Amino acid sequence: AQTVTQSQPEMSVQEAETVTLSCTYDTSESDYYLFWYKQPPSRQMILVIRQEAYKQQNATENRFSVNFQKAAKSFSLKISDSQLGDAAMYFCAYRSLYSGAGSYQLTFGKGTKLSVIP
Amino acid sequence: EPEVTQTPSHQVTQMGQEVILRCVPISNHLYFYWYRQILGQKVEFLVSFYNNEISEKSEIFDDQFSVERPDGSNFTLKIRSTKLEDSAMYFCASSEAGNTEAFFGQGTRLTVV
Repeated sequence: AQTVTQSQPEMSVQEAETVTLSCTYDTSESDYYLFWYKQPPSRQMILVIRQEAYKQQNATENRFSVNFQKAAKSFSLKISDSQLGDAAMYFCAYRSLYSGAGSYQLTFGKGTKLSVIP
Repeated sequence: EPEVTQTPSHQVTQMGQEVILRCVPISNHLYFYWYRQILGQKVEFLVSFYNNEISEKSEIFDDQFSVERPDGSNFTLKIRSTKLEDSAMYFCASSEAGNTEAFFGQGTRLTVV
């Protein structure tokens, strides 16, 4: 079974600064997806960014980028030019690429609460 | 923009009562999921549903739980006899295919008293 670990329960960042949230995972599969979801106080889960394990290039979405280290099983999220609206809980999640290898369910980490200081 | 909608947003029920949580997935999506998040804890998978049957379920999804797609639009989660420990945020999600992004609804907060 896959596990996802987020070792930082809470982080804070000054507005306009950059912050990196850490995530490590454990799997025996070679192909899979990794995701970062944002959960603001409204509690809705919003997809921030995704990475396919077979792609070497790190995914980017505007101010959000990842550092994917497959050998180290590490998947960190970098938020540049932090804004007040970035304050939320951030969850790292894993999903198998193929059905039958654990289905398409998402396995989540425990989350990192990010505060943005004005 | 299409979205997953869940009703109600908050439900309070007495222990032992049955509850039905409702979800309307995105219309062209074929895979449906329920997840649960106990306050302060991580999001946990409950069940996935495809082609009118359960395709995968976790150990949390015991006989007290059931899912149904009663018509072409709704996807429901029923808890037959609620327990205090069922208090949680329940998220519905859907995806177009099994290997594409899952889009989440805004959640239903269930409080069992």
